[in-house]
Formats: sequence, C-alpha cells, structure tokens
Amino acid sequence: DAKTTQPNSMESNEEEPVHLPCNHSTISGTDYIHWYRQLPSQGPEYVIHGLTSNVNNRMASLAIAEDRKSSTLILHRATLRDAAVYYCILRDGGTASKLTFGTGTRLQVTL
Amino acid sequence: GAVVSQHPSWVICKSGTSVKIECRSLDFQATTMFWYRQFPKQSLMLMATSNEGSKATYEQGVEKDKFLINHASLTLSTLTVTSAHPEDSSFYICSAGEGAKNTEAFFGQGTRLTVV
Repeated sequence: DAKTTQPNSMESNEEEPVHLPCNHSTISGTDYIHWYRQLPSQGPEYVIHGLTSNVNNRMASLAIAEDRKSSTLILHRATLRDAAVYYCILRDGGTASKLTFGTGTRLQVTL
Repeated sequence: GAVVSQHPSWVICKSGTSVKIECRSLDFQATTMFWYRQFPKQSLMLMATSNEGSKATYEQGVEKDKFLINHASLTLSTLTVTSAHPEDSSFYICSAGEGAKNTEAFFGQGTRLTVV
C-alpha cells in the first residue's frame, strides 16, 4: 500500500481554521485519498475523501495538490469537539478495499 | 448514515477464558467486514478481513486459531479471542461498508478488552 506522512501533532485555537497536511508522494493514479478521525475511546469516523478535485462536505474540505502527492484537510472553524487523531489514508484495491492506518495527526484545540 | 454496532463496549475476563465480540451492520448488508486492534497510544492495526460465507483472511502475524472470526450473515461478524491472556488486552474495532475504494467505511464504537 502506498504510504502517507503526517505530522504527529498540531494545535489550534477554537474558532480558527485548521489545515492538516498529508504527504503521499508514492500515490498511484487509482488511489483515493481518505480522511478519518478518531476521538478518544471511540472507533474512527469518516471525514471526507477525494480523487483529484477538491471536495467539500459539512465536516470539512479536502484540498488535493495538482500532482496528487499531497493533500490538506481543512476544518474551517475548529471546536473543542474536533480534538482527535486525524488519519490520512490511501485506498485502492477491489471490492473489499481495506484501510491501512498510519500514525495520524493528533489535533489539540484550545480555548 | 450507515451504522455499525459493536457489542460489548467493554469486557473484563479472566486469563484463559474466551471472549466473543459482535459487530453488526444495522441498516445495510456487509459482505466484508474488517477487524482491527489498537493498543494504547498506537494506531489501528488490521487483524483480519471477515468474508460472509467463507473463511476470514488474516494479516501476517495474527494467529487465526486464537482470533476466531465468523461471518455467518450479511449483517453480523463475530471475533472470538480464545484463551485470552493479559497481552490480548486491547481496543478491538470492526468496520464495514461497501468496500469499494471510493466509498466511506463505517466503524463500530470499539470494544475495550481487559484480561486479568
């Protein structure tokens, strides 16, 4: 599986935007870029995914570099409830495509 | 959205006993489910892929005779930790979904297993 690299941790103030980077220089043309987050003592939660174009949903935005070797998850206004570990994952494969988790970025949000 | 439910949320068992964890897809059918294990301060590690009506596929280093997986229906997969030992204490998480790379996966809330 192609690998992703994320910073171990980031901090943000509440109500401010947060940009979480992810490098995936070995991404293949058919890999989708997925983001999940995990709150303490819970299972992961889907955030967003994309292939080439930038994506927006109610939770976040995903900005994908033109060469697809990096992407950025954007939380427009961080809240305390956004404090979690964010995982950037490349997903390929057939009908049973598994998710391989890296170490993720631990986001701390402060008042 | 789709919901995946795990039961129990937590369990404490004695060393040497077996523990069964259930994973249910509540509003969709899942031919494939995945089981993960997560130790404190670490990331999720895929243990096995559970296939409905056939044998599970285990990741390298995961003992299939210790972690028994049964996927008897399209909405239920079970993970049984046999002869549990303290080192098996961990957070076990299942996931399900359509499985295609351009769709989201849904995760259970996790099961905290403590073996004493």
